[in-house]
This record gives sequence, structure tokens and C-alpha cells, in this order.
Amino acid sequence: QKEVEQNSGPLSVPEGAIASLNCTYSDRGSQSFFWYRQYSGKSPELIMSIYSNGDKEDGRFTAQLNKASQYVSLLIRDSQPSDSATYLCAGGGLSGGGNKLTFGTGTQLKVEL
Amino acid sequence: DTEVTQTPKHLVMGMTNKKSLKCEQHMGHRAMYWYKQKAKKPPELMFVYSYEKLSINESVPSRFSPECPNSSLLNLHLHALQPEDSALYLCASSQDGTGHYGYTFGSGTRLTVV
Repeated sequence: QKEVEQNSGPLSVPEGAIASLNCTYSDRGSQSFFWYRQYSGKSPELIMSIYSNGDKEDGRFTAQLNKASQYVSLLIRDSQPSDSATYLCAGGGLSGGGNKLTFGTGTQLKVEL
Repeated sequence: DTEVTQTPKHLVMGMTNKKSLKCEQHMGHRAMYWYKQKAKKPPELMFVYSYEKLSINESVPSRFSPECPNSSLLNLHLHALQPEDSALYLCASSQDGTGHYGYTFGSGTRLTVV
């Protein structure tokens, strides 16, 4: 079974600190990886995508991918209370006749004042 | 237009009712998806339409019937649902059938079956 695993948390960090969120995946055929942010009662919002090994930075967010270790991470610098949400890691790849995005269970992040 | 629009936002239906959820996107995306999300759980894939053809059905019960009238529209027809089907139903779209550029989600329909 193709799985994406995350620590459910909650992960608590003080305001201004770096939050580190981690994710592992089992399907070596996964070709693309995404981080979604989901506020309570809202739909997921795409914040980062990464396709090749290494780091990708966008503002306060850095995604890291290590395909050999089947590991994806998200760093949030200068964490703000507005970053408090559930972060979903997702891996994408072909399955059957189409593309599937498989989500991890999500990590709840709490940024404390 | 960079949005996926879902209607209605909230729906309460009885177990004998027939209702439909609607999803629309005008981004020129060629793949559209239905996901179901229960509280404190990740989204679970139900159906994938790629270039207006059903390409993945994740063994969803027949009381859920998807329809893709054209490349911009996706419907989910509901009939004889059970209370355990109460959930947030999310529509998403992606640029092409590879999903390489990620999915854009709509705001969802909160469904309650009574």
C-alpha cells in the first residue's frame, strides 16, 4: 500500500522560531511532492511543491526532498501565529489510468505567542 | 481566474434524498478530482477525471455517482446516503493528468446526512 506518513503532533513552537515538519513516503514511484496548509474547517491550500532532490525556498518556507531516504520536509522560518494550522504532505504519481495525490495524516502546528 | 468553485457550501440531506454537488474551474485545467475528508483525517481520493474521462474510481459505493459534463464542470450525484457519509467533500483540479503542478482545491461542501 502506498503511504505517506507524518507525525500528527501537535508541534508547538514559539513565535519567531523555525518550525520543522517531516514526512516519509513508501512509493518510490512518486514523482512530485507537495505541502498543503489547512486551517480548521477550510480546504487545503498549496504552499510548496518539490520535484527533485535538494532544497527549494519560497519566502519563509523551505521544502527539502531526499529521494534516496524517501523523505520530505518543510521548514517555516520566523513562525507566526497565523501559521498555526495542519500541514499535509502529499506525494503524487501515476496509478492505474490517472494521477493520484496521496496525503499524509497531517501535522498540527501551533505557534505560540 | 485561479479558483475552483464548489456549490453548495453546506448541504443537509435525508437518507432518501437525491442531491448533487457542483464544481467549476476556469483555469483550463484538464484533470478534476473528488475527495472526501472526515474530521481530523486527511483527504481521501474518490474519483479522478482526466481529459473528461473517468480514470480512477477508488472503489466508491454506487450511491456516489460522478459526472464530468465538460472540461470545466464536475458534478457528484448523491443518492441514498448514510449518516457515515457526512463529511467535507472537496473538489480539486490540476493542470493536466500528471498532477505534476499540484492540485487546486475548492472550498468544499460540508455535507450532513440525517
